Amino acid sequence: LAKTTQPISMDSYEGQEVNITCSHNNIATNDYITWYQQFPSQGPRFIIQGYKTKVTNEVASLFIPADRKSSTLSLPRVSLSDTAVYYCLVGDGRRGAGSYQLTFGKGTKLSVIP
Amino acid sequence: IAGITQAPTSQILAAGRRMTLRCTQDMRHNAMYWYRQDLGLGLRLIHYSNTAGTTGKGEVPDGYSVSRANTDDFPLTLASAVPSQTSVYFCASSKSNTGGYGYTFGSGTRLTVV
Repeated sequence: LAKTTQPISMDSYEGQEVNITCSHNNIATNDYITWYQQFPSQGPRFIIQGYKTKVTNEVASLFIPADRKSSTLSLPRVSLSDTAVYYCLVGDGRRGAGSYQLTFGKGTKLSVIP
Repeated sequence: IAGITQAPTSQILAAGRRMTLRCTQDMRHNAMYWYRQDLGLGLRLIHYSNTAGTTGKGEVPDGYSVSRANTDDFPLTLASAVPSQTSVYFCASSKSNTGGYGYTFGSGTRLTVV
């Protein structure tokens, strides 16, 4: 499983755009990149997933360069309720190769300041 | 509401006692997982199941067992609890065991072994 590296913590003011970058130099051809959000005392919540280029949904955007060795989660105009831990995960999606097991690192603790 | 139900929400357990954490999903997801989350260590995979009738070991399986008799249920059993198993336990499920789908997590079970 590819290892990921992301900042331990980030601070941002309300209303700003936040970009969290994750490095995954050993990403494999079949790997997907997935981001999760976790609030205290809750389970992680799926935010967005991508394979290449750009993916956008109602919550965030995910930018993946052509070499796929990194990815950036972009949260537009954050609010206090976006304060959470954000996890970047990379996993092997080969069908039949065994269980697709997501490995969680320590994540990035985002603190949104009023 | 479709999702994952975990029970109990919290439990204080005497060391040496047997305990089963329950997990039920109503999304007809094929794959299910158990993670534990400890401060400073992130989420670690205990056991997984690609489909009903099959199970596999994750990163930290010792002291735990699972079964997958049907699609919906994936109980986690601690045969003889020890204090080091004090943790928050999260059950998760995924539509497929391949990488194209995200995980849905339950709200967790906070277990304290004394």
